[in-house]
Amino acid sequence: EPEVTQTPSHQVTQMGQEVILRCVPISNHLYFYWYRQILGQKVEFLVSFYNNEISEKSEIFDDQFSVERPDGSNFTLKIRSTKLEDSAMYFCASSGGGSGQPQHFGDGTRLSIL
Amino acid sequence: QKEVEQDPGPLSVPEGAIVSLNCTYSNSAFQYFMWYRQYSRKGPELLMYTYSSGNKEDGRFTAQVDKSSKYISLFIRDSQPSDSATYLCATVRYTGNQFYFGTGTSLTVIP
Repeated sequence: EPEVTQTPSHQVTQMGQEVILRCVPISNHLYFYWYRQILGQKVEFLVSFYNNEISEKSEIFDDQFSVERPDGSNFTLKIRSTKLEDSAMYFCASSGGGSGQPQHFGDGTRLSIL
Repeated sequence: QKEVEQDPGPLSVPEGAIVSLNCTYSNSAFQYFMWYRQYSRKGPELLMYTYSSGNKEDGRFTAQVDKSSKYISLFIRDSQPSDSATYLCATVRYTGNQFYFGTGTSLTVIP
């Protein structure tokens, strides 16, 4: 069964550094998402991306964050000037359709900021 | 008011029991409803997807939506130890992409 793959599974970064999290969505999907889950808290929406632009973003997704689809298969989340509170699981998801369609998640990248 | 509320449990049941997991939501604009299963150190795995009031069945799983009460449920029949996981409810607006998740209910099925 097609799946969303994320790399790395665990990323350790010094505070203030930049980090890029990578995702390969399901191949025929057109809509891409990033979520995060701080330990013990809810899964929270960050951003959705379609047709090479952001279609929706949450209040969490400020100027520190950016997303990119650098080629036909990868989807990345860049976090600049990382802070301790950025430590979380980051999940990538994709869907074949837009509004309301089920999203399929990867296994996440655990980001630890030291 | 939280968008989606879910009892975090933990819930512990004997093998073979019927499990009932529940969520409430606050906004009538939510039109699509999902249940995800999340094993430890894994991503959410889609179990059920529905958009109408009533029941939807898939094997041992039944999703129930009551839009008038803003209440969604997941029933697991003949529960198995492999069902031990955290179950997340999620919902989204008709025109939106942002999923709103509950906190998740941790379930343990004891052999």
